[in-house]
Amino acid sequence: AQKVTQAQTEISVVEKEDVTLDCVYETRDTTYYLFWYKQPPSGELVFLIRRNSFDEQNEISGRYSWNFQKSTSSFNFTITASQVVDSAVYFCALSEVGSWGKFQFGAGTQVVVTP
Amino acid sequence: GAVVSQHPSWVICKSGTSVKIECRSLDFQATTMFWYRQFPKQSLMLMATSNEGSKATYEQGVEKDKFLINHASLTLSTLTVTSAHPEDSSFYICSARDANDPKETQYFGPGTRLLVL
Repeated sequence: AQKVTQAQTEISVVEKEDVTLDCVYETRDTTYYLFWYKQPPSGELVFLIRRNSFDEQNEISGRYSWNFQKSTSSFNFTITASQVVDSAVYFCALSEVGSWGKFQFGAGTQVVVTP
Repeated sequence: GAVVSQHPSWVICKSGTSVKIECRSLDFQATTMFWYRQFPKQSLMLMATSNEGSKATYEQGVEKDKFLINHASLTLSTLTVTSAHPEDSSFYICSARDANDPKETQYFGPGTRLLVL
């Protein structure tokens, strides 16, 4: 069975601070995809990144960066120089190739950025 | 890019009534769609897999007679909450996969908020 753990329930930071969101996953499959989504108060999920299990390269996109470490089954997400607009719930998710499309979501981390 | 829409975006109904939620893929065909439910302050939980032209597959603990799913075309899946009760109040989100996309990108709809009084 697959499982995604986001141990941080809420993180509060002041604008311009960096914030790192942790994600640890469990799966028996060797081929899988990992995702991060942002969910603002409107509720609509905003896609941030998809990473397949064979690609351990870290990725940077603007102020966002991701660190994928297969050895520790972690896929952490960092927001650099946070802004108020970054305030949202962030979900880490896993989808195994064998059941592609079925997402196992973590519990989510609420990020609160104050001016 | 590909877009998935849901209708209605929100609905309020009386206890005991049935509510239908539509999920449409706007510019691509989706042989498979998925329905998720999200209670306030909680994560998204997969309810069922909707397969075009065949019966839906439900996750453990989801009542198939209560949550009727119909996927009659390659662009439309519907979720009907039958005899809704206050505990069914939730945020329902669908997702769809582009059948012709080699990257197999999954797209989420904007969600439907259901409030049962």
